[in-house]
Amino acid sequence: SQTIHQWPATLVQPVGSPLSLECTVEGTSNPNLYWYRQAAGRGLQLLFYSVGIGQISSEVPQNLSASRPQDRQFILSSKKLLLSDSGFYLCAWSLHRRGTQYFGPGTRLLVL
Amino acid sequence: AQKITQTQPGMFVQEKEAVTLDCTYDTSDQSYGLFWYKQPSSGEMIFLIYQGSYDEQNATEGRYSLNFQKARKSANLVISASQLGDSAMYFCAMSLNFGNEKLTFGTGTRLTIIP
Repeated sequence: SQTIHQWPATLVQPVGSPLSLECTVEGTSNPNLYWYRQAAGRGLQLLFYSVGIGQISSEVPQNLSASRPQDRQFILSSKKLLLSDSGFYLCAWSLHRRGTQYFGPGTRLLVL
Repeated sequence: AQKITQTQPGMFVQEKEAVTLDCTYDTSDQSYGLFWYKQPSSGEMIFLIYQGSYDEQNATEGRYSLNFQKARKSANLVISASQLGDSAMYFCAMSLNFGNEKLTFGTGTRLTIIP
């Protein structure tokens, strides 16, 4: 069966520091991968998605970036964090385009 | 652009009763998918049920069923025989079959089951 992992689970970072969140999927090949952000008490906002290695599409222009160095690895990064980057970051995968998306456990990021 | 509306920010339901969570959507596309996710306090989004716009029958998954009324653009989630473990946030979401990859989410409904 497929499983999705995210780390770290929680992170407290100062403003202006870099960020790297990692997501890996097991038990499937060539998944579609997604990064979402959820602000407190709100729904999810899609940040990036990837249909293959090195292929990244951005939904929201901001100081975040994503990379997919391996088939089942998706990384969310920032060179300089802003206070507004605080939130709950969720990674998801799907078998095919517009298929059901399955989410990881998430990373809670607090920028101070 | 597509939009999901969940008008119930919070609901309290007695254990073992059935509960209906409302969801309306707006899209000009004819082909789309509707999803419900459960988010417990741990934060993980758990997929519950899916309905395609061309599916003639309402989707069911165990105690979950989706009351799909296409003309009204509604996709309400029905949970039968509620349990204490059903207490969570519930999100309705939509994807377009011929659009981009985005799942558009509603703002969610917080369901609390009372013993």
